[in-house]
Amino acid sequence: DAGVTQSPTHLIKTRGQHVTLRCSPISGHKSVSWYQQVLGQGPQFIFQYYEKEERGRGNFPDRFSARQFPNYSSELNVNALLLGDSALYLCASSAGVSNTGELFFGEGSRLTVL
Amino acid sequence: RKEVEQDPGPFNVPEGATVAFNCTYSNSASQSFFWYRQDCRKEPKLLMSVYSSGNEDGRFTAQLNRASQYISLLIRDSKLSDSATYLCVVLCGNNAGNMLTFGGGTRLMVKP
Repeated sequence: DAGVTQSPTHLIKTRGQHVTLRCSPISGHKSVSWYQQVLGQGPQFIFQYYEKEERGRGNFPDRFSARQFPNYSSELNVNALLLGDSALYLCASSAGVSNTGELFFGEGSRLTVL
Repeated sequence: RKEVEQDPGPFNVPEGATVAFNCTYSNSASQSFFWYRQDCRKEPKLLMSVYSSGNEDGRFTAQLNRASQYISLLIRDSKLSDSATYLCVVLCGNNAGNMLTFGGGTRLMVKP
């Protein structure tokens, strides 16, 4: 069975550009969350979507947005990229909005902003 | 002050050693606690949940001290394959859904 898949795996952008990252959850999972992991730090929560609705938002600026599609896949968009946006962006899926703490992460999209 | 704090390490230990990591959290309303493992340049994976009564999974033992707001992970008989970063994770509140708060991670290197 396929796990969480993310694309692209690596990308390089310049300051001011826009980026779209994509995620497909595990089949049957309806919840997708996005995390940002800066080198040497733990992941930080950005968004959670469940059944196409935003269910949580972390402390990130409005340049960050996301959406979930009817097939439960998701996109994370970041506008007006800054150098500090360079990070590994992780998508995680779960069956629902649960408190079990078990999220299944994809391998991430590594973004470098020059 | 960070919400979840960990000693970044690295902890360099020989095979067979016992090693312990601690983690402190600042939000007293935190309700659920976990340890995740992250291999170099890979995604985090759930290692184990942490219960108030303490819990054990093979060579791994996790404990929670709510009064002092800290969580620990003990690894016995370390293997080379245990080399990784161990992330302490906290879930706050009943409606927090999947909003996990991660510590910065503790790096473990097990040497032959």
